[in-house]
Amino acid sequence: AQTVTQSQPEMSVQEAETVTLSCTYDTSESDYYLFWYKQPPSRQMILVIRQEAYKQQNATENRFSVNFQKAAKSFSLKISDSQLGDAAMYFCAYNTNTGNQFYFGTGTSLTVIP
Amino acid sequence: DVKVTQSSRYLVKRTGEKVFLECVQDMDHENMFWYRQDPGLGLRLIYFSYDVKMKEKGDIPEGYSVSREKKERFSLILESASTNQTSMYLCASSLFWGVNTEAFFGQGTRLTVV
Repeated sequence: AQTVTQSQPEMSVQEAETVTLSCTYDTSESDYYLFWYKQPPSRQMILVIRQEAYKQQNATENRFSVNFQKAAKSFSLKISDSQLGDAAMYFCAYNTNTGNQFYFGTGTSLTVIP
Repeated sequence: DVKVTQSSRYLVKRTGEKVFLECVQDMDHENMFWYRQDPGLGLRLIYFSYDVKMKEKGDIPEGYSVSREKKERFSLILESASTNQTSMYLCASSLFWGVNTEAFFGQGTRLTVV
């Protein structure tokens, strides 16, 4: 069974600093996709970044980047130059190209301190 | 922009009532999902649908049913609401699987059963 684990229920970061959110997953598949979603207090869940497992290069989207370690089944999110608007719940998610659902972690609540 | 719209942001219902949560997407997505979000438990899949009139149980289908009569609309039904169904409900849609795609979410419905 596929599982996604986020071991940090809460994290905090000073504005303009860098923070890393952790995610590990368990799968027997070789081809799959990983995602980080952000859920601000307004509750609309939006995609932050995605990674294809067959790509060795880590995905980057502006201030957001991932550290994808396939052998270790680790997929962490790094937020650089943190802004107040980054405060949100962050969910790590997994999907396969043969699967029919997205598997989510339990989330990490990020606080940004001014 | 993809839009997934849930009919209500807040609902208060009485125990034993039949409750309908409606979700509409405007991007012709094949897949639609209903998740339940509880603190510390992340997102748990209730049901999903990959085509009109097709449905599959997720991880926690007990006490729920769904209906998909049109491609753009996916309804979650609580046949007899109970207090343990008080929760945040999220609807999502995505393009067909087998493609590196993302799930698009609605704004959520906070259901309180009293």
